[in-house]
Amino acid sequence: AQSVTQPDIHITVSEGASLELRCNYSYGATPYLFWYVQSPGQGLQLLLKYFSGDTLVQGIKGFEAEFKRSQSSFNLRKPSVHWSDAAEYFCAGGGYGGSQGNLIFGKGTKLSVKP
Amino acid sequence: EAQVTQNPRYLITVTGKKLTVTCSQNMNHEYMSWYRQDPGLGLRQIYYSMNVEVTDKGDVPEGYKVSRKEKRNFPLILESPSPNQTSLYFCASSLSRGLAGSELSFEQYFGPGTRLTVT
Repeated sequence: AQSVTQPDIHITVSEGASLELRCNYSYGATPYLFWYVQSPGQGLQLLLKYFSGDTLVQGIKGFEAEFKRSQSSFNLRKPSVHWSDAAEYFCAGGGYGGSQGNLIFGKGTKLSVKP
Repeated sequence: EAQVTQNPRYLITVTGKKLTVTCSQNMNHEYMSWYRQDPGLGLRQIYYSMNVEVTDKGDVPEGYKVSRKEKRNFPLILESPSPNQTSLYFCASSLSRGLAGSELSFEQYFGPGTRLTVT
């Protein structure tokens, strides 16, 4: 069955430190993948997306993610975290085919930032 | 401004009183979806629609109804709300052309959410 897994429920990093949020997917073929961010009391905002081509994708707010087929991963990274990055992050994926357009979301990783 | 709107943003109601949460998008998107978000459970899909008059169940459809009579609107109907439907609800849309289409775009745009409390 198709699935998207975020192994870390909650991560705390110091401001200025680097960040990596993990996402693993299970799809039969090459999926399309997304990272969304949800600030407290807000809706979900798209950070970045991967469909095909270059496996390192750049997004907004200085985030990037790398698609690694061999590891079935699409981890989100940021070299230096700012206090305003504190939020919940969701990885999502979908596959081409009959129900393309439907996304499966991971359960989310809550990021806290220490001053 | 391109957006997905939901109304109401907050709603407190009582068990059994029918309610409708509206969702509208102005981006001419084909695909629309409803999710509920609960602590520790992430986003769970309730219903989705690939196009007008085409709807299908998601992971947690029980107790909900939807309709897609026109492209821009996708209302969520709770015929007889119960306390276990207390949740944060999100509507989303994406362009998502069909298999015969030339343009494929699956990123979903989300509404601001509707906080529903059923007592």
